[in-house]
Amino acid sequence: QVQLQESGPGLVEPPGTLSLTCTVSGDSISSSYWWNWVRQPPGKGLEWIGEIYHSGDTNYNPSLKSRVTISLDKSKNQFSLRLSSVTAADTAVYYCARRTGSYYINWGRGQGTLVTVSS
Amino acid sequence: QSVLTQPPSVSGAPGQRVTISCTGSNSNIGAGYDVHWYQQLPGTAPKLLIYNNNNRPSGVPDRFSGSRSGTSASLAITGLQAEDEADYYCQSYDNNLSGSRVFGGGTKLTVL
Repeated sequence: QVQLQESGPGLVEPPGTLSLTCTVSGDSISSSYWWNWVRQPPGKGLEWIGEIYHSGDTNYNPSLKSRVTISLDKSKNQFSLRLSSVTAADTAVYYCARRTGSYYINWGRGQGTLVTVSS
Repeated sequence: QSVLTQPPSVSGAPGQRVTISCTGSNSNIGAGYDVHWYQQLPGTAPKLLIYNNNNRPSGVPDRFSGSRSGTSASLAITGLQAEDEADYYCQSYDNNLSGSRVFGGGTKLTVL
């Protein structure tokens, strides 16, 4: 069965760039699913960031679109998130997830990865 | 401000029935897009509870059920148990927001 695992720095200085990677096992990143990023600020709700298809097509949250890039690395079976010009408001737990139809069955293992934006 | 509106909190005694509402608009739930529900225990990733309005994934007890009508959806939990204490989120799609997946603000369920 498919498993996803987020990885990346836990601390980013403003106004730098946040970079995270999601490693997929048990399925190919080239399969017919959309690969997503979702985040959750401490004590707050879930926010969809964006997604990528194996073709390279992407969809982004309009509120983040100017700062977000999601990409694929098929050779490593990974997809990545880059969020530029970060501020403290970008501090959150970041999850990767696979979209099946219009919902999410498969999420990153464990509790996601906490990224703190602070100088 | 979430596109989908949920009550911040609900509560109930063990054995009781509770419902959690998810109110949207004509660009998401009212447009016929499916609603899905997730349960999130502290420190863990969300878990899919209901998909496509009223379907349960394998392993989810039939105490959990979902419905959708007009611009709203609801999650019902019967026979409330202590282990149901968690945060619950609805999720759908909004065609006003350039193909955005949208979540509700979340509801904290407290079992008294």
